[in-house]
Amino acid sequence: AQKVTQAQTEISVVEKEDVTLDCVYETRDTTYYLFWYKQPPSGELVFLIRRNSFDEQNEISGRYSWNFQKSTSSFNFTITASQVVDSAVYFCALTGSWGKLQFGAGTQVVVTP
Amino acid sequence: DVKVTQSSRYLVKRTGEKVFLECVQDMDHENMFWYRQDPGLGLRLIYFSYDVKMKEKGDIPEGYSVSREKKERFSLILESASTNQTSMYLCASSRGQTGTDTQYFGPGTRLTVL
Repeated sequence: AQKVTQAQTEISVVEKEDVTLDCVYETRDTTYYLFWYKQPPSGELVFLIRRNSFDEQNEISGRYSWNFQKSTSSFNFTITASQVVDSAVYFCALTGSWGKLQFGAGTQVVVTP
Repeated sequence: DVKVTQSSRYLVKRTGEKVFLECVQDMDHENMFWYRQDPGLGLRLIYFSYDVKMKEKGDIPEGYSVSREKKERFSLILESASTNQTSMYLCASSRGQTGTDTQYFGPGTRLTVL
């Protein structure tokens, strides 16, 4: 069975601090995809990144970066120089065949000025 | 840009009522999904559809049904609403035959059943 664990329930930081969100997954599939989504207070899930299991390169997009390590089954997400607009719930998700996304429980990020 | 819309942002219904939640996507996506989101439980898949008139049960289909008569529209039906169906309902769509493409979500419908 597939499982995604986001052990951090809530992280509070002051603006401009860096914050790293942990994601650990379990799957028996050899081909799988990992995602991160952001859910701001408005409620809509916003897609951030998709990564397949054969691509272990780290990715940077502006202030966001992702560290995929197959050896530890982790796909961690870092926000550099956090801003108030980064306050949201962030979900890590895993899919195998047929796109049935398995979500983690989410991590609430609170950024205060 | 991918756009997924849901018929209502907020909905209040009474126990026993039949409830329809509508979802429309404008990107000609093959696959559509319904999730519910509850505090402490995360997102759970109710039903999904990979083609018109096709449907598959997700993890928590009990108490729900779905309809997909047109490719762009996927409806979630609560035959007889109950208070334990008070939740946030999220619709999503994705392209492709394998179903592993990115799912794009609508704004959600917050349903309260009294």
